[in-house]
Amino acid sequence: NAGVMQNPRHLVRRRGQEARLRCSPMKGHSHVYWYRQLPEEGLKFMVYLQKENIIDESGMPKERFSAEFPKEGPSILRIQQVVRGDSAAYFCASSFTGNWHTEAFFGQGTRLTVV
Amino acid sequence: DAKTTQPPSMDCAEGRAANLPCNHSTISGNEYVYWYRQIHSQGPQYIIHGLKNNETNEMASLIITEDRKSSTLILPHATLRDTAVYYCIVRAPQGGSEKLVFGKGTKLTVNP
Repeated sequence: NAGVMQNPRHLVRRRGQEARLRCSPMKGHSHVYWYRQLPEEGLKFMVYLQKENIIDESGMPKERFSAEFPKEGPSILRIQQVVRGDSAAYFCASSFTGNWHTEAFFGQGTRLTVV
Repeated sequence: DAKTTQPPSMDCAEGRAANLPCNHSTISGNEYVYWYRQIHSQGPQYIIHGLKNNETNEMASLIITEDRKSSTLILPHATLRDTAVYYCIVRAPQGGSEKLVFGKGTKLTVNP
C-alpha cells in the first residue's frame, strides 16, 4: 500500500510563472490536507479538502493560491504568478475519514524554489 | 485550538530513554493529544496519540497526566535516527475541519 505520493519532489519556477503541486492520497483516503513550511519554520496549515469539496481554507493566502481535489485524480495545489516568498516545502497529508480520531499520513513534500 | 508548550531543544544519549514533555493546560475534555516528528527535510511522521489513558506502540509510549494538562512522549531506547523535531499537537474538531496545528516543536538530538 503506497503512502501519500507528492510530485514533483522539487520544482523550480521563475517569478510570475505558475506552480502546480500534486498529491495522491493513500488508497482509500478521501481527506486531503495541504501544509506549507517556510525555511527554518514550522508547518502551517493551508487547506483541507474532501473529494470535490473544500472544507477549510482558512490558511490559504487570499490571492494566487487555489486547491482542488477532483472526483478522479490527485489533489492539486496551484500557485499563480509565483513570487520569491512562495519558496517553501509544501506537504500534503491524507486521512481515511474526517473523524478526528484518525491520524493523518504525510507525503515527502514538494520543494518549490522561485528564482 | 488548545495551545501546547514544548522545550525548543533536548539532547539524549544513544541507547537511553528520551522523555519529551508537552504542556497543554487549556485542553478540552474531548481533545486528543497527538505526537508527530519530522526528520530533517522529510514529511512529518505520525508517532502516537491518546485521550487520557497511557498509550504504547512499537515506536513510543505516551504518558498523559490525570488532569490532562501535560503529557510526555517516551522513546525507550533512542537511536541516532530518532534525531528530529517532535511536535505535540492537540487536535481540535472545529465545525468539520480536522486540521493539525503545529507549533515549533522540540528538536531532539540523539548523541552517540
